[in-house]
Amino acid sequence: EAGVAQSPRYKIIEKRQSVAFWCNPISGHATLYWYQQILGQGPKLLIQFQNNGVVDDSQLPKDRFSAERLKGVDSTLKIQPAKLEDSAVYLCASSPLRGQGPNEQFFGPGTRLTVL
Amino acid sequence: DAKTTQPNSMESNEEEPVHLPCNHSTISGTDYIHWYRQLPSQGPEYVIHGLTSNVNNRMASLAIAEDRKSSTLILHRATLRDAAVYYCILRGGQGAQKLVFGQGTRLTINP
Repeated sequence: EAGVAQSPRYKIIEKRQSVAFWCNPISGHATLYWYQQILGQGPKLLIQFQNNGVVDDSQLPKDRFSAERLKGVDSTLKIQPAKLEDSAVYLCASSPLRGQGPNEQFFGPGTRLTVL
Repeated sequence: DAKTTQPNSMESNEEEPVHLPCNHSTISGTDYIHWYRQLPSQGPEYVIHGLTSNVNNRMASLAIAEDRKSSTLILHRATLRDAAVYYCILRGGQGAQKLVFGQGTRLTINP
């Protein structure tokens, strides 16, 4: 079974530039998550989708971050404009429908963003 | 979200058992105890979860205190590949899906 795919794996940009990350979840997984992981910290949830609807975006800095999940499959996360403090690893995860098993989340390898 | 407390770091030797503690004194009756681990340069991966009874799977065992205010993840025979950051997370039942990660425990395995 193919895992969660993310691209690019690495990205270096200058502050005030824009950047986009792409995620393809495991086939059939209805729920998709984007996390931000700053060096030395645990991942922090930015946004959660159920199919193509937003369930939780309470910690998404909406003045600069946006995310969409068209057709309930893959998703993009965008930062515009980027700040130095956005340097982090951006992780995408997916899980089956709620109520099934432990609702285990499967994580992708992440995109490491460096803002100079 | 209920909080957990874990040691920042632990060290063990290869092929020895490892006991990773987690305190969660404010756990509610419907909170499940989940463990994830994050290997270097990878995303987190699910290890195990439980509610009240001890649990075993191919990766580890989870021992839950009778009052549920603490739990211990047990790696029965650690290998170098088990070196990772281990996160203990409380997650509500009834379909709640959010994972709130703390700092976790960085486990070092000595050859």
